[in-house]
Amino acid sequence: NAGVTQTPKFQVLKTGQSMTLQCAQDMNHNSMYWYRQDPGMGLRLIYYSASEGTTDKGEVPNGYNVSRLNKREFSLRLESAAPSQTSVYFCASSEQFRPGGEQYFGPGTRLTVT
Amino acid sequence: LAKTTQPISMDSYEGQEVNITCSHNNIATNDYITWYQQFPSQGPRFIIQGYKTKVTNEVASLFIPADRKSSTLSLPRVSLSDTAVYYCLVVLSGSARQLTFGSGTQLTVLP
Repeated sequence: NAGVTQTPKFQVLKTGQSMTLQCAQDMNHNSMYWYRQDPGMGLRLIYYSASEGTTDKGEVPNGYNVSRLNKREFSLRLESAAPSQTSVYFCASSEQFRPGGEQYFGPGTRLTVT
Repeated sequence: LAKTTQPISMDSYEGQEVNITCSHNNIATNDYITWYQQFPSQGPRFIIQGYKTKVTNEVASLFIPADRKSSTLSLPRVSLSDTAVYYCLVVLSGSARQLTFGSGTQLTVLP
């Protein structure tokens, strides 16, 4: 099993450009998450999805959109990137239908917005 | 938003027991406390989760007092490879908006 995979691993964007971060899990988990982690900081939840077709805002949702098209995949879209969105983005998944608990994390996407 | 507080850093020596405490004053009755370990340039890894009293697994123990306003992660006989950042996580009332990772504790294990 690959666990949680994320693409791309690295990305550099110019201000105003858009992009989509992809995440997939092969553990048949119900919940999926998108976090951001700024240097020297803890993780902050951007969006959460308890199941296909459902999403909930986390602590820092502004500037992002998400899509949970099926059980395996959860994508994060930046419509108009800003330097403040420079961060490391982690996707995670967990078995239960509520947020929290034992989450499995992907390797992260390092995004720089210039 | 749920608020958690942890010490910024701790040092220990190989073979010692390490206890890291997290304060979560406004935790609700049904909220779990979860701890994660994170190495540089990696995603966090689950260590242990608890609801009350004491939980133990093959790598750690978690102590939660009766008032549940804090929890203590205990790592027995640490080694150099335990040097990492440790985070506690609480989710108030099962709400994604109330999912909060603590700021993390940098544990450095010295030889």
